[in-house]
Amino acid sequence: QVQLQESGPGLVKPSETLSLTCTVSGGSTDFFNWSWIRQPPGKGLEWIAYMFYSGTTNYNPSLRSRVTISLDTSRTQFSLRLTSVTAADTATYYCASLYAGNSFYFDSWGPGALVTVSS
Amino acid sequence: SYVLTQPPSVSVAPGKTARISCEGDSIGTKNVHWYQQKPGQAPLLVMYYDKDRPSGIPERLSGSNSGNTATLTISRVDAGDEADYYCQVSDTTTDHVVFGGGTTLTVL
Repeated sequence: QVQLQESGPGLVKPSETLSLTCTVSGGSTDFFNWSWIRQPPGKGLEWIAYMFYSGTTNYNPSLRSRVTISLDTSRTQFSLRLTSVTAADTATYYCASLYAGNSFYFDSWGPGALVTVSS
Repeated sequence: SYVLTQPPSVSVAPGKTARISCEGDSIGTKNVHWYQQKPGQAPLLVMYYDKDRPSGIPERLSGSNSGNTATLTISRVDAGDEADYYCQVSDTTTDHVVFGGGTTLTVL
């Protein structure tokens, strides 16, 4: 299994763009599928987006208009961009590897990165 | 969109069996996956494809899925099993991922 680590600013101002990077070790982004999931404080998990190694993406309909997931040309990182953030976007953001067979599940997770939206 | 419903909390005495349910319309026709999340930690996959355990997950954990209910069963519960548990499916029409609201397991 690969190891994952999220990184990025812990504080973002309202209306600005949240950007996070997930660094992958023990494997290349070429051969796995990748995803972002978030968890507001004290609440449950919410899937944000995923990308297959082929480049195909899929987004949570509730966030689709504001979210972009992308692979870095380094082949060891992938990223999340969430535009026009509000306080409701305050959450711990997890990157995860996605197993995509007949069904999809997340088999490795990063430790998470808390992002607070506040002025 | 597809909805998964879990009880907010389940309590069980040490040594007993805990059953955590996950309800959804015809969920028995889908593959259900389960995650365990302890305080301050990332979720951990503990069951996939209804009843398969990842390496390192004890046999005390088992899963089933039929009709409108999937169940994660934990036998011989101990304090180390206290955690939030989430079920998850992927919608076969849209390929969107859906999580249940989570269940907090308390060991009395």
